[in-house]
Amino acid sequence: KAGVTQTPRYLIKTRGQQVTLSCSPISGHRSVSWYQQTPGQGLQFLFEYFSETQRNKGNFPGRFSGRQFSNSRSEMNVSTLELGDSALYLCASSPLGQGGSYEQYFGPGTRLTVT
Amino acid sequence: EDQVTQSPEALRLQEGESSSLNCSYTVSGLRGLFWYRQDPGKGPEFLFTLYSAGEEKEKERLKATLTKKESFLHITAPKPEDSATYLCAVQSRGGGGADGLTFGKGTHLIIQP
Repeated sequence: KAGVTQTPRYLIKTRGQQVTLSCSPISGHRSVSWYQQTPGQGLQFLFEYFSETQRNKGNFPGRFSGRQFSNSRSEMNVSTLELGDSALYLCASSPLGQGGSYEQYFGPGTRLTVT
Repeated sequence: EDQVTQSPEALRLQEGESSSLNCSYTVSGLRGLFWYRQDPGKGPEFLFTLYSAGEEKEKERLKATLTKKESFLHITAPKPEDSATYLCAVQSRGGGGADGLTFGKGTHLIIQP
């Protein structure tokens, strides 16, 4: 079974621009979560989608948004980029979505550099 | 607010030298505790899920244990290919729906031949 895929793998943007990152979950997984990873803060939860609905959101400004499509693929968007948004953005998918604990399987990430 | 603290931050061992990594957590009702391994430039790779105190899981040279306040990842007779950053994460019993994982900063493990 193919793993989580993310595109693009690397991206360089300028301050003030916006960016869209894409994630395709493992086949059959309906829950998709997004995380930001930086050397200083580590891995931080952005948001989680299930059946095209955002169910939970981390403590990030409204410049960070996302959506999920009917085929469970997901995108996240960052508007008005700041230097501090430079990070590895990770997508994770999970086979479960209704309560209970669930394992999350991560993609390789998108390395975003803001100059 | 959920918190996860991992120690040590970095650990250098000789090949074959067993050791343990620690993950201390505070959470408002533990739904699950997860261990991941992350290699440079890659996404985290799932290792284990632990649900309740006293639970143990093993995989090759790794064994994870859980108490009410901490988890340990024991590495027995490690090999150089076990070198990686090991991440611990918790999920709390939120008010329904799925909650994001809260991660520790990780332990950077180096196994020297």
